[in-house]
Amino acid sequence: NAGVTQTPKFQVLKTGQSMTLQCAQDMNHNSMYWYRQDPGMGLRLIYYSASEGTTDKGEVPNGYNVSRLNKREFSLRLESAAPSQTSVYFCATRRGNRDGYTFGSGTRLTVV
Amino acid sequence: KQEVTQIPAALSVPEGENLVLNCSFTDSAIYNLQWFRQDPGKGLTSLLLIQSSQREQTSGRLNASLDKSSGRSTLYIAASQPGDSATYLCAVSLMDSNYQLIWGAGTKLIIKP
Repeated sequence: NAGVTQTPKFQVLKTGQSMTLQCAQDMNHNSMYWYRQDPGMGLRLIYYSASEGTTDKGEVPNGYNVSRLNKREFSLRLESAAPSQTSVYFCATRRGNRDGYTFGSGTRLTVV
Repeated sequence: KQEVTQIPAALSVPEGENLVLNCSFTDSAIYNLQWFRQDPGKGLTSLLLIQSSQREQTSGRLNASLDKSSGRSTLYIAASQPGDSATYLCAVSLMDSNYQLIWGAGTKLIIKP
């Protein structure tokens, strides 16, 4: 029972490169979320998907796109990476509004 | 606007002591409150989830309480161990939103052997 799996765990990109962060859950949860965590800023919501087939912007969506491929998978894409996107990215899921969140182990991204 | 505050920001205690971490929130219209721990360079591990209708939840040496009317939650750690050293975060899930989780800034806990 893996829970929430994020890949890759680490990544270094050059400015302007693109990449996709993958998130998969085996918990049969409806909602999925992408957060970024920066020192002194706490966790900030980038995008979320309340259910399969829907996605919405969070606090800091600029520079990112998402795809809810199916109920299990929610990917985050950086089309043209910038140094300001250097961060730790976390995927999270929950069954419904009254349920707790389960987080993945994170992806450490450095953009040089 | 909901705000979540955690006091203290950092705490250092000798091994074996019982301790309390505090979390306060300004708006009582919440679905639930969740406590997490985060180890350096690691992800977030859920410790306890308290629904708005509940007063407390317990897991092993951890006990979390919720007083919605006063906007407070406490995380009690009994018989602390060096392995409890981590940053502890509380977060509230808002009633009027299907996505918003409001986070406290965390309490960095160090347990000295």
